[in-house]
Amino acid sequence: QLVLTQSPSASASLGASVRLTCTLNSGHSMYSTYAIAWHQQRPQKGPRYLMKVNSDGSHTKGDGIPDRFSGSSSGTERYLTISSLQSEDEADYYCQASGFFGGGTKLTVL
Amino acid sequence: QLQLQESGPGLVKPSETLSLTCTVSGGSLNSNYYYWAWVRQSPQKGLEWIASISFSGTTYYAPSLNSRVTISVETSKNQFSLNLNSVAAADTAVYYCARLAPSGSGNHFDNWGQGTLVTVSS
Repeated sequence: QLVLTQSPSASASLGASVRLTCTLNSGHSMYSTYAIAWHQQRPQKGPRYLMKVNSDGSHTKGDGIPDRFSGSSSGTERYLTISSLQSEDEADYYCQASGFFGGGTKLTVL
Repeated sequence: QLQLQESGPGLVKPSETLSLTCTVSGGSLNSNYYYWAWVRQSPQKGLEWIASISFSGTTYYAPSLNSRVTISVETSKNQFSLNLNSVAAADTAVYYCARLAPSGSGNHFDNWGQGTLVTVSS
């Protein structure tokens, strides 16, 4: 089955950039073609779809997602980059593919 | 703009059946492209996909819950529903309905409801 691995936590300063990583099945190359989605979950809120990231690094964002959010890929890793960090970006970020979710990364904006 | 709204009891007794409905507005369930799904979230298990259904009634269930879950769709009301029977404390979670879009080698959820907390307790 598909396993999505995320670091439990990350932090960066207000105005800086941060890159979050989602690794498909511990780097096994057979999963290198999978697309994933990134979702943001602010405290006490439901998940919000941010974007889909394809294996070639292209990404398609959801409605109203700021340009500060972008996606990319390398092998079995899928990335979410947030630039010009704002306080409202402090949230949990989950990657997902089909019926599988990563454990989430808690982002703290310092 | 598509909106999904969960509804149903917030408290269910152990061994009984949890029943939730998702009402879709700003769009139609009648689409060959999308599936409709239930996902739950608990501190113990994180986000967990439960089941998905197409407008025509094709269903998929999480293996771990397959024996206890039924998902159904009522296109005339633009609603789909979840039944989870023989509930226990471990089924206490926030339940979300969501739209599932194809992604080539996988699918992704591209719209979410706000969620509803269901507590299993006597």
